[in-house]
Amino acid sequence: AQSVTQLGSHVSVSEGALVLLRCNYSSSVPPYLFWYVQYPNQGLQLLLKYTTGATLVKGINGFEAEFKKSETSFHLTKPSAHMSDAAEYFCAVSEVGAGSYQLTFGKGTKLSVIP
Amino acid sequence: GAGVSQSPSNKVTEKGKDVELRCDPISGHTALYWYRQSLGQGLEFLIYFQGNSAPDKSGLPSDRFSAERTGGSVSTLTIQRTQQEDSAVYLCASTIPSAGQETQYFGPGTRLLVL
Repeated sequence: AQSVTQLGSHVSVSEGALVLLRCNYSSSVPPYLFWYVQYPNQGLQLLLKYTTGATLVKGINGFEAEFKKSETSFHLTKPSAHMSDAAEYFCAVSEVGAGSYQLTFGKGTKLSVIP
Repeated sequence: GAGVSQSPSNKVTEKGKDVELRCDPISGHTALYWYRQSLGQGLEFLIYFQGNSAPDKSGLPSDRFSAERTGGSVSTLTIQRTQQEDSAVYLCASTIPSAGQETQYFGPGTRLLVL
């Protein structure tokens, strides 16, 4: 079974600073990778995804992530944090189950932005 | 509606009671997933529907959990004889299958508290 590891359950950055949220996966086949964001008391919203093609993926709200097969990583970055980025972020991999493409999620990283 | 809706948004029940959680997917989405989000376990897959059939029930934690989908649309997750460890947020997602590359669209969740 595939697994996803997110380093750091809680990350704090200053407003305007670089955001870096780490994600590593284990997979024996090329995966499909996703980053979702969850604001308080809301469902998950897709930020970006990697399926095939270009390994640097751009998403909404200025976020991007780079798929590095040699490092089995898919880290999420944003050059300049904004107060509105405070939320919980989940990295996920699409895994073929018994006829489904269920998502396997990391434990999540809660991002705090300090004014 | 424009997005996935779930009801109720919050549910408090007593241990041993049965509960029903409802999910209305985005119109036209043939695939529907249920996930559970809890403090100890993070986000876990429960069950997948394609149309009205459930080819993947591998994530259901016990036989107290069941789900159905009717008319290829609304789905109901039923938990019988609830236990305190069932307390969690239950999330529903819908999508149009695309061999794992698809984006799953999540509802806001039902927050279940078992006393």
